[in-house]
Amino acid sequence: GESVGLHLPTLSVQEGDNSIINCAYSNSASDYFIWYKQESGKGPQFIIDIRSNMDKRQGQRVTVLLNKTVKHLSLQIAATQPGDSAVYFCAEKRGATNKLIFGTGTLLAVQP
Amino acid sequence: NAGVMQNPRHLVRRRGQEARLRCSPMKGHSHVYWYRQLPEEGLKFMVYLQKENIIDESGMPKERFSAEFPKEGPSILRIQQVVRGDSAAYFCASSTTWDYEYNEQFFGPGTRLTVL
Repeated sequence: GESVGLHLPTLSVQEGDNSIINCAYSNSASDYFIWYKQESGKGPQFIIDIRSNMDKRQGQRVTVLLNKTVKHLSLQIAATQPGDSAVYFCAEKRGATNKLIFGTGTLLAVQP
Repeated sequence: NAGVMQNPRHLVRRRGQEARLRCSPMKGHSHVYWYRQLPEEGLKFMVYLQKENIIDESGMPKERFSAEFPKEGPSILRIQQVVRGDSAAYFCASSTTWDYEYNEQFFGPGTRLTVL
């Protein structure tokens, strides 16, 4: 079946610390994985994506890791800031359609 | 370049009424997607449209829901005879084109539908 899920519903970190948000997926046929950030009352905002033939991709302060062996995806945020507080979703794109399958989401709370 | 626009931002309807949600994609985007988000849940895909064509409606409920993306004007998600279970945030996203590679979807701010 289709399933993208997250291990932790809430993550609380101190400002300046690194954050790691995890995601498990069930379908090995997925070819793209994307992380979105959603602030309260707003639509999802693209953070970073990774193709299924890659293990790691870096952006500005963010890194996505993909472990296909255990079907696990993670988002690492360096030097977490109060502005990073939001719900983070992983999503997957699969095959001959551009529709996205979203996970449940993790609330990241940054403590000043 | 304006982003994806949705209106209204908030919509209140009584049971049995119709709800019409509008989405104007980003300039130059010809692909539109609708997603529904229930409280404290992730987004669920509903339908994918190009101009004048429905490409994938595998996430649309079989009854009461319909979507269109006419040649001119915004995409419309229409919910007839709304029920309380339709209360949710409805997000529209758009992308430039489609090919086998992923094309980033840009999301609008959503329409929050409340059914009384």
